[in-house]
Amino acid sequence: SQQGEEDPQALSIQEGENATMNCSYKTSINNLQWYRQNSGRGLVHLILIRSNEREKHSGRLRVTLDTSKKSSSLLITASRAADTASYFCATVFLGNTDKLIFGTGTRLQVFP
Amino acid sequence: GAGVSQSPSNKVTEKGKDVELRCDPISGHTALYWYRQSLGQGLEFLIYFQGNSAPDKSGLPSDRFSAERTGGSVSTLTIQRTQQEDSAVYLCASSPGGIEQFFGPGTRLTVL
Repeated sequence: SQQGEEDPQALSIQEGENATMNCSYKTSINNLQWYRQNSGRGLVHLILIRSNEREKHSGRLRVTLDTSKKSSSLLITASRAADTASYFCATVFLGNTDKLIFGTGTRLQVFP
Repeated sequence: GAGVSQSPSNKVTEKGKDVELRCDPISGHTALYWYRQSLGQGLEFLIYFQGNSAPDKSGLPSDRFSAERTGGSVSTLTIQRTQQEDSAVYLCASSPGGIEQFFGPGTRLTVL
């Protein structure tokens, strides 16, 4: 079974609003990554947060990690129509190989 | 420089036939991954190659699936005696060292 579960499964907002997506996982991790997927094809890496980090920023993206709750959140501020995509969290297990285990994804729709 | 490329982009085959999917990783990347994504679902890990080490095949769903990586570069995923449930997008990714993964555009496989 997949390591990560994300909620909501789908999110619809207006341009300019903030979008928050959550990811929960089951076992200890080395790091957690967020990816974006357009049109069901290739994924693009957005941001990585290590297990000893609590928050990270990249442009309009803010990621938090709470290892005690085994959860992470991705915040996209001031959303744009071009942010419409599916967003996946992916974890690398502590002590495991570097393979990523992906969550179920959140489909974000931003209306202009 | 070129990114990860995959061929073919689309493949339609009849049940029972064998198919080969190809992945050309980014030059110099030591790690290569195969994933499968069914319609509207997250990514399912299939197999992972790292340098000259034995591949991690723990995600292959059955013995009909196999993959090889020749010369530490190009990889081929082979599905024998295809079934309708094999229909999915097959994604390949490469990485220079186990952190960020760079994804190809995927091969959409349809088994009739």
